[in-house]
Amino acid sequence: AQSVTQPDIHITVSEGASLELRCNYSYGATPYLFWYVQSPGQGLQLLLKYFSGDTLVQGIKGFEAEFKRSQSSFNLRKPSVHWSDAAEYFCAVDNYGQNFVFGPGTRLSVLP
Amino acid sequence: NAGVTQTPKFQVLKTGQSMTLQCAQDMNHEYMSWYRQDPGMGLRLIHYSVGAGITDQGEVPNGYNVSRSTTEDFPLRLLSAAPSQTSVYFCASSLLGSRGGELFFGEGSRLTVL
Repeated sequence: AQSVTQPDIHITVSEGASLELRCNYSYGATPYLFWYVQSPGQGLQLLLKYFSGDTLVQGIKGFEAEFKRSQSSFNLRKPSVHWSDAAEYFCAVDNYGQNFVFGPGTRLSVLP
Repeated sequence: NAGVTQTPKFQVLKTGQSMTLQCAQDMNHEYMSWYRQDPGMGLRLIHYSVGAGITDQGEVPNGYNVSRSTTEDFPLRLLSAAPSQTSVYFCASSLLGSRGGELFFGEGSRLTVL
């Protein structure tokens, strides 16, 4: 079965600092990878996705992610975090076109 | 543009009661799914459907039932509620499924089973 791990349960950064959220996946073929964000009390919103081609993908709200096949990773980055980025972030992979598998999530706190 | 609509947003049940969580989407998406979200567990797939009349089980299907009689609607039924089903439930839909499709989520339904 496919799986997604997000090693960091909770990360705290200061506003204006850079951010990297880690995601590792297990998958037997070319993966389709996603990052979603969930603000408190809300549903999930897509930040970005990788299907093929350029391994560095740009998303909304200034986020980007880099696909590294050799490391089975798809880490999310942002150069300068804003207080409004405080939320929970989920990495996901498709499951051979059947459905989506989500990681456990990383909660981001932002210090003023 | 309503997107994915879930009702109710909050529900309290007693053990053994049954109920249906409603989900409707107005984007003509073929793929619809139900997840439950529990602290530290992320989102776990309960059931999904790739089109009207077609449903399949996800990771945690026990105690839940679904049907897909129309493209728009995908209700989730709890047959006999148990405290272990206390959770936040999300319905999500996609045009193409996971092969290239972005999942659109509803706002969630918080269920408490006493």
